[in-house]
Amino acid sequence: KNEVEQSPQNLTAQEGEFITINCSYSVGISALHWLQQHPGGGIVSLFMLSSGKKKHGRLIATINIQEKHSSLHITASHPRDSAVYICAVRNKTSYDKVIFGPGTSLSVIP
Amino acid sequence: GAVVSQHPSWVICKSGTSVKIECRSLDFQATTMFWYRQFPKQSLMLMATSNEGSKATYEQGVEKDKFLINHASLTLSTLTVTSAHPEDSSFYICSVLRSHYEQYFGPGTRLTVT
Repeated sequence: KNEVEQSPQNLTAQEGEFITINCSYSVGISALHWLQQHPGGGIVSLFMLSSGKKKHGRLIATINIQEKHSSLHITASHPRDSAVYICAVRNKTSYDKVIFGPGTSLSVIP
Repeated sequence: GAVVSQHPSWVICKSGTSVKIECRSLDFQATTMFWYRQFPKQSLMLMATSNEGSKATYEQGVEKDKFLINHASLTLSTLTVTSAHPEDSSFYICSVLRSHYEQYFGPGTRLTVT
């Protein structure tokens, strides 16, 4: 079993839909990252969480430390949101080791 | 705005040549930077941890003589791929550690070796 898992693996949505991507992990963490990787490969850091909830524009990220689970929500999705979304956790016992999830490929159709 | 920059964003080189990739921390001084590699359709994998003023720590299976890392200042780390081969073609990403809880990722550099 992978230490960081994401669901769904692939997601296709209609423009305007509310989207949720889930991340679950099995290790103790000091922080969790949500990253966005565009088709050309460029990576954008979306959120860094250690507790609670963060919001930036149409994006919301939540984390439940006790349940070892995080969600990334996209409201009013747009075709430009099409990308791979990666969940990454920083292992508490080895703070400089980041474990990446497999990514969720999102395609938003106009 | 961006916290971490990488240069170049993409590079094509011939087999046998060396390529240098720069990672800069724009907003703060960083004693620790990380280099990751991502092959197509795979997750990012840690290659090495770069510490300012000391030798980098390489992950198992990463050749330190092939992937030279120099963290010469608190805002700059460089990764040099020496004698590049087509199998080195990959996406290289750096990350900067600001504190125990704050880590920022660069946009990445796509290397293609022909």
